[in-house]
Amino acid sequence: QKEVEQNSGPLSVPEGAIASLNCTYSDRGSQSFFWYRQYSGKSPELIMSIYSNGDKEDGRFTAQLNKASQYVSLLIRDSQPSDSATYLCAVNGGTALIFGKGTTLSVSS
Amino acid sequence: GAGVSQSPSNKVTEKGKDVELRCDPISGHTALYWYRQSLGQGLEFLIYFQGNSAPDKSGLPSDRFSAERTGGSVSTLTIQRTQQEDSAVYLCASSPSSREDGYTFGSGTRLTVV
Repeated sequence: QKEVEQNSGPLSVPEGAIASLNCTYSDRGSQSFFWYRQYSGKSPELIMSIYSNGDKEDGRFTAQLNKASQYVSLLIRDSQPSDSATYLCAVNGGTALIFGKGTTLSVSS
Repeated sequence: GAGVSQSPSNKVTEKGKDVELRCDPISGHTALYWYRQSLGQGLEFLIYFQGNSAPDKSGLPSDRFSAERTGGSVSTLTIQRTQQEDSAVYLCASSPSSREDGYTFGSGTRLTVV
């Protein structure tokens, strides 16, 4: 069974620090990878997609992909209290995205 | 529309009753997905529609669950003879034609079975 694993957290960082969120996946054939942010009581919101090995940067967010290690990560620079949320890693499972259970990030001011 | 629209936003139903949940995807998006999210759990895939092709129903947890998509647009998820374990947030998402695209989620329907 295809799986996506994330540390549930909570991950606590002070305002202005770098938050590092990690994800591993089981299907070596996966080709597309996504990070979603979910605020409490809200639906998931797509924040990053990555398809090739290496880094992809978008503002304060950097997604990193290592297909050989089956590892995806999300870095959030200059973390803000508004970044406090649950971050879901998603991997294309052939038919639909397979989601991890998410990592809760708490940014303290 | 501008986003994925789901209705109702909240539904409380008695055990054993049938419920219908509606999803209106983003205009032009050919792919439509239903997921459910139980308290403290991850997103569980239920069903996938792509254009006029036969849906992928592999995630439906039992034969009490069914879904249809009319005219390649609006979708309805039906749960018959609801059980308490069906209580969850049901999320609909749509994407452009490619499977490689990320999804846009609707705001969800919170179903409570009492």
